[in-house]
Amino acid sequence: DSGVTQTPKHLITATGQRVTLRCSPRSGDLSVYWYQQSLDQGLQFLIQYYNGEERAKGNILERFSAQQFPDLHSELNLSSLELGDSALYFCASSVVGRRYTFGSGTRLTVV
Amino acid sequence: QQQVKQSPQSLIVQKGGISIINCAYENTAFDYFPWYQQFPGKGPALLIAIRPDVSEKKEGRFTISFNKSAKQFSLHIMDSQPGDSATYFCAASIPGTYKYIFGTGTRLKVLA
Repeated sequence: DSGVTQTPKHLITATGQRVTLRCSPRSGDLSVYWYQQSLDQGLQFLIQYYNGEERAKGNILERFSAQQFPDLHSELNLSSLELGDSALYFCASSVVGRRYTFGSGTRLTVV
Repeated sequence: QQQVKQSPQSLIVQKGGISIINCAYENTAFDYFPWYQQFPGKGPALLIAIRPDVSEKKEGRFTISFNKSAKQFSLHIMDSQPGDSATYFCAASIPGTYKYIFGTGTRLKVLA
């Protein structure tokens, strides 16, 4: 157990729907990162939050949004889902710096 | 310029052999180069990392070799074991940011 908890582990939903992925960082970690891992690509950085504030944005679609709550857990919201959004979504956390710890991911399947 | 190119896509090695995975980058601003190991159904886990002012770093059976002039770095797994069978990702990071640019991964299989 890495200490980063992601729920749910698996999610199957239809095109056009909206889902919320949840991440609880390791105790004491203030930064949360979201990554998307598709079959034919490596991990793609989506967004970073630090202590509730957005710090960096990657190639995150406008249909996607995220937030980090006062208790430091984070949610990634994906809306108007398309088949191409099917992927593994990973959350990672860190205290400071770049040595971060990944969760086990949420496998999203859009049908 | 933001890409990290990783090769090979897959690798089969006999038990006890040396596994070598290579990565190349273009952006000379990158200043931190980790390698992650990922088992099926798990998230990537940090294996070893290096900064460009060091040419080699060794941790147990895992070694990173770094060639700054060639903008290449590689992971060597000595005495490869079946338990090393996993997907390996190289990555790079720019100072002042905490996001990584990942390679596309290498699926390693070590035969018993």
